[in-house]
Amino acid sequence: EDQVTQSPEALRLQEGESSSLNCSYTVSGLRGLFWYRQDPGKGPEFLFTLYSAGEEKEKERLKATLTKKESFLHITAPKPEDSATYLCAVQAGGGSYIPTFGRGTSLIVHP
Amino acid sequence: DAGITQSPRHKVTETGTPVTLRCHQTENHRYMYWYRQDPGHGLRLIHYSYGVKDTDKGEVSDGYSVSRSKTEDFLLTLESATSSQTSVYFCAISEPGGTGGYEQYFGPGTRLTVT
Repeated sequence: EDQVTQSPEALRLQEGESSSLNCSYTVSGLRGLFWYRQDPGKGPEFLFTLYSAGEEKEKERLKATLTKKESFLHITAPKPEDSATYLCAVQAGGGSYIPTFGRGTSLIVHP
Repeated sequence: DAGITQSPRHKVTETGTPVTLRCHQTENHRYMYWYRQDPGHGLRLIHYSYGVKDTDKGEVSDGYSVSRSKTEDFLLTLESATSSQTSVYFCAISEPGGTGGYEQYFGPGTRLTVT
């Protein structure tokens, strides 16, 4: 059974204080690992897809990295507008196109 | 923007009444999904569709049914609503990304309260 565990559950940062969110996973043949951002009262918004260990992707202050067991979402010099819940999901290989989601990390960045 | 709308956006209903939520997409995506999101549980898949009239159950399908008679519409029905179905419901579509990964795009959600 595919599993995704995100840590920490909640993270409070001061503006400018860089940190990382973790997504640990077990999956039978990784087809893709996805990061989403969710603002309160809205649907998740797609950020990145990572396909293989060693891959990295960046978007503004966010950088996602991938190893064979986990992914990190690094947030560099965060701003209050980066406050959101960040969700990680994995998709197994084979014929499945159904992802398994983690429960998310709630990030609050204080000015 | 994947052109996904959900209706209604908010609904309050009484226990035992039927409820239908609608998801509409404008870009001819093949795969559509219904999720519910609850504190402490995250996103849980209710049902999904891989084409017109082709649907299958997710992990929390009991008490829910779906229909897809047109590519653009995916309906979720609660035949007899219960208080445990109070939740936020999200519709999603997926598109194949590079090397076969299916990244999802979500609608704005429907907040359903069953009293």
